[in-house]
Amino acid sequence: AQSVSQHNHHVILSEAASLELGCNYSYGGTVNLFWYVQYPGQHLQLLLKYFSGDPLVKGIKGFEAEFIKSKFSFNLRKPSVQWSDTAEYFCAVLTRSNFGNEKLTFGTGTRLTIIP
Amino acid sequence: KAGVTQTPRYLIKTRGQQVTLSCSPISGHRSVSWYQQTPGQGLQFLFEYFSETQRNKGNFPGRFSGRQFSNSRSEMNVSTLELGDSALYLCASMTGPASTDTQYFGPGTRLTVL
Repeated sequence: AQSVSQHNHHVILSEAASLELGCNYSYGGTVNLFWYVQYPGQHLQLLLKYFSGDPLVKGIKGFEAEFIKSKFSFNLRKPSVQWSDTAEYFCAVLTRSNFGNEKLTFGTGTRLTIIP
Repeated sequence: KAGVTQTPRYLIKTRGQQVTLSCSPISGHRSVSWYQQTPGQGLQFLFEYFSETQRNKGNFPGRFSGRQFSNSRSEMNVSTLELGDSALYLCASMTGPASTDTQYFGPGTRLTVL
């Protein structure tokens, strides 16, 4: 069965530091990849997504992610974080079975705390 | 355009009871998905409905069921509640069943089972 691993449960950074959050998945077939963010007190919202084409995907608020198929990874990056980036970040993988069933599997999330 | 709305926002039930949660998608969206979010398991997919038909289903027991109405509103029902069902239940809507669509999430219903 497919799974998504986010190894960093809680990351604490100072403002202006660079960020990289890891995401690895296990699935042998074609995948679509997502990063979602949940700011304190707000709804879950899409940061960026990868479906095909350029493996480097740019999202909102200066975030980007790179799909490395050989490593089954889709790490999220931002060159310089801000206090407002404090949130919980979820990686998700959409898979399709041979029977056409689709399933969106989420990682357990990474809590990011930015210290001013 | 109004976002995804979920009612009620908070619910307290006791073991053995049943509960029904409601989700109204964004106007024009015809696909609704349900997720369970817990601290230990994270977000887990329950099921997805499109045009009143269940299109995809996660690995939850039959106590969890859902339906979608002709106006795209969806309900989720959990029967014979267990303590482990305490969670935040999220609903997400999309314009259609295409995987390339973006899912828009609602605020969730916080269910506490005592």
